[in-house]
Amino acid sequence: EAQVTQNPRYLITVTGKKLTVTCSQNMNHEYMSWYRQDPGLGLRQIYYSMNVEVTDKGDVPEGYKVSRKEKRNFPLILESPSPNQTSLYFCASSSGLFYGYTFGSGTRLTVV
Amino acid sequence: AQSVTQPDIHITVSEGASLELRCNYSYGATPYLFWYVQSPGQGLQLLLKYFSGDTLVQGIKGFEAEFKRSQSSFNLRKPSVHWSDAAEYFCAVGRPPDTDKLIFGTGTRLQVFP
Repeated sequence: EAQVTQNPRYLITVTGKKLTVTCSQNMNHEYMSWYRQDPGLGLRQIYYSMNVEVTDKGDVPEGYKVSRKEKRNFPLILESPSPNQTSLYFCASSSGLFYGYTFGSGTRLTVV
Repeated sequence: AQSVTQPDIHITVSEGASLELRCNYSYGATPYLFWYVQSPGQGLQLLLKYFSGDTLVQGIKGFEAEFKRSQSSFNLRKPSVHWSDAAEYFCAVGRPPDTDKLIFGTGTRLQVFP
């Protein structure tokens, strides 16, 4: 089944403790992206990647890092999480805008 | 910069009633337009999309949307709502060929009463 898999689904962590949210897709898509969803703000893009080793900032990149060493994986790294990064995170992939995005199920992160 | 506006934060309808969710975009040319649905606890699922051609597009689950260039709108409609349609709906715009980025509206939460 074609899908985008995110892990974990839920995560509670403390301020400053580094964490990684994994994202993997099995559709051989070149484009991958991370969004955060906050009430009243919709989805905002954090980072995106056009292909392996090609990443760029989205609209809200502060406090996040990403890497794209393999085509299928696009992990989101929070080096020093803060409470304002408490949010619902979505990974998405695409083979081109014409086809739209395929989204993962989301990761609900709480930073205390 | 392009943007997407969904004026209605929350809409409540009775089961069986018709539905229209509004979406307005700001962009200099004809963008790619999408509607996504997010059921509680789920990711986003593509309902329909518009690129060019016929301005009325059909999607999954009985939804349709109409592109109106003069009004910069792409409203989502359904003739008869089912209780299972309760969800959050997002309109999104893309601006090919510059980028594969999608810009999302803030969403409209649909509540359906029996």
